[in-house]
Amino acid sequence: GAGVSQSPSNKVTEKGKDVELRCDPISGHTALYWYRQSLGQGLEFLIYFQGNSAPDKSGLPSDRFSAERTGGSVSTLTIQRTQQEDSAVYLCASSDRGLYGYTFGSGTRLTVV
Amino acid sequence: RKEVEQDPGPFNVPEGATVAFNCTYSNSASQSFFWYRQDCRKEPKLLMSVYSSGNEDGRFTAQLNRASQYISLLIRDSKLSDSATYLCVVNSASKIIFGSGTRLSIRP
Repeated sequence: GAGVSQSPSNKVTEKGKDVELRCDPISGHTALYWYRQSLGQGLEFLIYFQGNSAPDKSGLPSDRFSAERTGGSVSTLTIQRTQQEDSAVYLCASSDRGLYGYTFGSGTRLTVV
Repeated sequence: RKEVEQDPGPFNVPEGATVAFNCTYSNSASQSFFWYRQDCRKEPKLLMSVYSSGNEDGRFTAQLNRASQYISLLIRDSKLSDSATYLCVVNSASKIIFGSGTRLSIRP
């Protein structure tokens, strides 16, 4: 597609439920990144994919968080047993080997109530 | 020490002023560098790449100092529309690290 697409744009969920966030990167971009940003805070790195593999998962906050990427394209970030501190904007970015910068999607605003 | 550090600001300057931001990074093997702009409640957007020789795009000039491990962004003749948070980005071993951002507010 023309840009990075994320869905849903907004998600309100009850504490303890599982949620799945989707990122559809720019066609042909091999690198895909997940970040989250709490209100008024900087970007927190979560995980990075090169193709379908994740060389760097160091930012995942706990084992409730997991992510996968299939076909070198779409990625899903899954949060199990959501907690209120998971509330944030989850941003996805993709890149063509990181040479020309990274394009972000408009994010998924997750609210855990 | 954080991998990428920025002065959080806020910088509050009058329209027409020149403002400069610096950003330091800790990994000397870092390969590529960028400045991003983030408006309130929006995703970050690429402002410009930073090259070793320095580069300019209109009112914006970016520079890289590998010896001292910092990058800079200079904004000349600032406009009200320049008000935003400016993020420096460093690519180290394919992991992209964002600075926490510098808030800039331009007043009339």
